[in-house]
Amino acid sequence: DQQVKQNSPSLSVQEGRISILNCDYTNSMFDYFLWYKKYPAEGPTFLISISSIKDKNEDGRFTVFLNKSAKHLSLHIVPSQPGDSAVYFCAASRRSGGTSYGKLTFGQGTILTVHP
Amino acid sequence: DVKVTQSSRYLVKRTGEKVFLECVQDMDHENMFWYRQDPGLGLRLIYFSYDVKMKEKGDIPEGYSVSREKKERFSLILESASTNQTSMYLCASSLVSGRWSYNEQFFGPGTRLTVL
Repeated sequence: DQQVKQNSPSLSVQEGRISILNCDYTNSMFDYFLWYKKYPAEGPTFLISISSIKDKNEDGRFTVFLNKSAKHLSLHIVPSQPGDSAVYFCAASRRSGGTSYGKLTFGQGTILTVHP
Repeated sequence: DVKVTQSSRYLVKRTGEKVFLECVQDMDHENMFWYRQDPGLGLRLIYFSYDVKMKEKGDIPEGYSVSREKKERFSLILESASTNQTSMYLCASSLVSGRWSYNEQFFGPGTRLTVL
């Protein structure tokens, strides 16, 4: 049972435009969400996160939005750059209510291609 | 900077062989994780460890075992490799502060394992 889903396997965007990557989750116990970026032949690197007490978190060109009622989060990249071309994974965690050991549940990933 | 290293970037083994994948982190992190990454399936947790000699099964532990004899080292063992274990294997670590596990995980570069 896939608790975290990224329904778009790929996304193609023109340089300078906005990239919007989407993620849905089913487990209402998740209360912390992260986005990771992965280049080929490298491990994923942390990009941005959001706690369930917020609905938006911004870091430079990257903004994550959380809609708890819809169990949906999205990552906005503005403006998109060719160097942003990578696989993006969303991940969810349960921080409260017991020991989680920081476990993450990942989505399937979305391949973003930004064309010059 | 946190550094997570994995013993091999590429590995080719034969069916039935015993395979060891080694992971070392240099930031004194308590939590360590092993994932496999497959196209369309994202990252799936195999095993994790929250302390020396302590281990917990993840979502797909079948066919794998782990060992954590020292805090900085976490090994993944394929007791008898099979072709369906051909995959990218990623190790990660994260920090604990008191009873609180940070969710941000730091990943190694991955080991591409091919089982023939």
